[in-house]
Amino acid sequence: DAGVIQSPRHEVTEMGQEVTLRCKPISGHNSLFWYRQTMMRGLELLIYFNNNVPIDDSGMPEDRFSAKMPNASFSTLKIQPSEPRDSAVYFCASSLSNYGYTFGSGTRLTVV
Amino acid sequence: SQQGEEDPQALSIQEGENATMNCSYKTSINNLQWYRQNSGRGLVHLILIRSNEREKHSGRLRVTLDTSKKSSSLLITASRAADTASYFCATEETSGSRLTFGEGTQLTVNP
Repeated sequence: DAGVIQSPRHEVTEMGQEVTLRCKPISGHNSLFWYRQTMMRGLELLIYFNNNVPIDDSGMPEDRFSAKMPNASFSTLKIQPSEPRDSAVYFCASSLSNYGYTFGSGTRLTVV
Repeated sequence: SQQGEEDPQALSIQEGENATMNCSYKTSINNLQWYRQNSGRGLVHLILIRSNEREKHSGRLRVTLDTSKKSSSLLITASRAADTASYFCATEETSGSRLTFGEGTQLTVNP
């Protein structure tokens, strides 16, 4: 298995633009998580899905953020419109219940 | 505030020495996990210890869990320069619930 695959690895965009981050979880994993990591706030859970259903989105900063999981093998995190304070590394992780998470390599987002 | 809080925030040791990192948490848990993150990379799962376990080993790693004190420790024996990374503890409060990560300990192993 290639692990959790995220794309793009790096994204530089202008303020106000729409940004879409993509994640392919490990086949067979039933939970998917989106995290954001910054120096100031550390690792924050944004949203997680169980069996493709959003379970807890209380970490989503505001309405500019949205996430979908249309099927078991794909998820997106969208920011529209993006702002400079959204600059961070965004991680996707997947897991099978009661086992550790497998993280992707992350998407480094810079909003200028 | 963070469920898991690591101590110390930063640790610098010489190659061959042992490194001990601590984690405290606030609520009851189903399990506690330790992760490692190399600079610019994603987190990598190291070890999981369940609430009914007290100690677990994996290679040069030894994890202890004291649920009465709500604390855990990660010991890396005979450290190597390649162990240089940030180490995070994470707690799962109930089975299948999300993990809550601490702020991490930055370990530097000097050759």
